[in-house]
Amino acid sequence: NAGVMQNPRHLVRRRGQEARLRCSPMKGHSHVYWYRQLPEEGLKFMVYLQKENIIDESGMPKERFSAEFPKEGPSILRIQQVVRGDSAAYFCASSPPRAGPLYTQYFGPGTRLTVL
Amino acid sequence: GIQVEQSPPDLILQEGANSTLRCNFSDSVNNLQWFHQNPWGQLINLFYIPSGTKQNGRLSATTVATERYSLLYISSSQTTDSGVYFCAATYSGGGADGLTFGKGTHLIIQP
Repeated sequence: NAGVMQNPRHLVRRRGQEARLRCSPMKGHSHVYWYRQLPEEGLKFMVYLQKENIIDESGMPKERFSAEFPKEGPSILRIQQVVRGDSAAYFCASSPPRAGPLYTQYFGPGTRLTVL
Repeated sequence: GIQVEQSPPDLILQEGANSTLRCNFSDSVNNLQWFHQNPWGQLINLFYIPSGTKQNGRLSATTVATERYSLLYISSSQTTDSGVYFCAATYSGGGADGLTFGKGTHLIIQP
């Protein structure tokens, strides 16, 4: 049973370019979460999605960042006009349909974004 | 939002030693997880433990939800246990569904 898959594993962009990060959840999982790990800030929640719906985007920067989880295909985290401060590891996690409060988030290997 | 604090921030031990890592959280939780981030940056699930005690090999964890803390025990440490250990939790009162992470405990096991 494959785990959470993320690609690319490493991504290099120049300032002003767009970055697209992909996440395929574990089989049977319908909930996706994105987190960002900045060197001095630790791991921070960004957004929580279900198929075709954004449930909680309280951790998303207000500008340049967007996320989607279409009916078919992987979840996409999109960063427009990247700046050096966007350099970080971006992790995706998935969880099965909730059964009350009991759910575990399983993390992918992450995408390391470097902005030159 | 919920606050998660971990201690100690750094820990250096000899191979074979035992260790206890602590996680305090500020409010009631419906999800508490322990992770190990290895030197390659991967986050490895260790335990899902909003309450009670679990064991997996040399690792075990206990969460006392009423007192708002969780402990991770590592016995007979090996060099491969080195890395950063994170505790993360979700507030049970609703609102954000994302995990709030502590700053981690950086563990170094020396041969």
